[in-house]
Amino acid sequence: QVQLVQSGAEVKKPGASVKVSCKASGYSFTDYNIHWVRQAPGQGLEWLGWINPDSGGTNYAQKFQGRVTMTRDTSVNTAYMELSRLRSDDTAVYYCERVGPDHDAFDIWGQGTMVTVSS
Amino acid sequence: DIQMTQSPSTLSASVGDRVTIACRASQSISVWLAWYQQKSGKAPKLLIYKASTLESGVPSRFSGSGAGTEFTLTISSLQPDDFATYYCQQYYSQWTFGQGTKVGIK
Repeated sequence: QVQLVQSGAEVKKPGASVKVSCKASGYSFTDYNIHWVRQAPGQGLEWLGWINPDSGGTNYAQKFQGRVTMTRDTSVNTAYMELSRLRSDDTAVYYCERVGPDHDAFDIWGQGTMVTVSS
Repeated sequence: DIQMTQSPSTLSASVGDRVTIACRASQSISVWLAWYQQKSGKAPKLLIYKASTLESGVPSRFSGSGAGTEFTLTISSLQPDDFATYYCQQYYSQWTFGQGTKVGIK
């Protein structure tokens, strides 16, 4: 079945970087953009950006430009999101999603990766 | 950036009730709007895209309407499995979410 499986929880210190992976299966990885969204504890959903797995092209939300880097490895059908210069307010669950086959809403979601930033 | 505002932020309802959630965009987004359901500790689930198109496998008691700046999600007869938080999302220009509407038991 179509699914996205993310890497496990991370605990980082302020100022460090974190890299989260998102492995796709059940479909052609290079056919659909992968997006990243985060959710702070008890809060709403915040979009970080997307990557085109075919070309490697990216588009980041302005708020995260300069701190986020999205990459992919087509040999293992995996997308990555790296966030640098972490702060305590980056503590959140980070999700990857696939856009739908004929629209740009998110039809498949990863299970989420908890990133905790604490000294 | 396009801002999305949902109302109400919380609502209490009973099984069998008709429930309506509103979503307003800060500028016209045509029909490029989606609705998601999220249960505690889980990833959101796509319910509706393009304002009114039901995602495959989603029960027909869910429906969406609207265009431009005003949108509505309706649950025709609330079921026990529907108690959750609902988010609207625009994808006309980048992607942004509403703040969410929590549907609780009355």
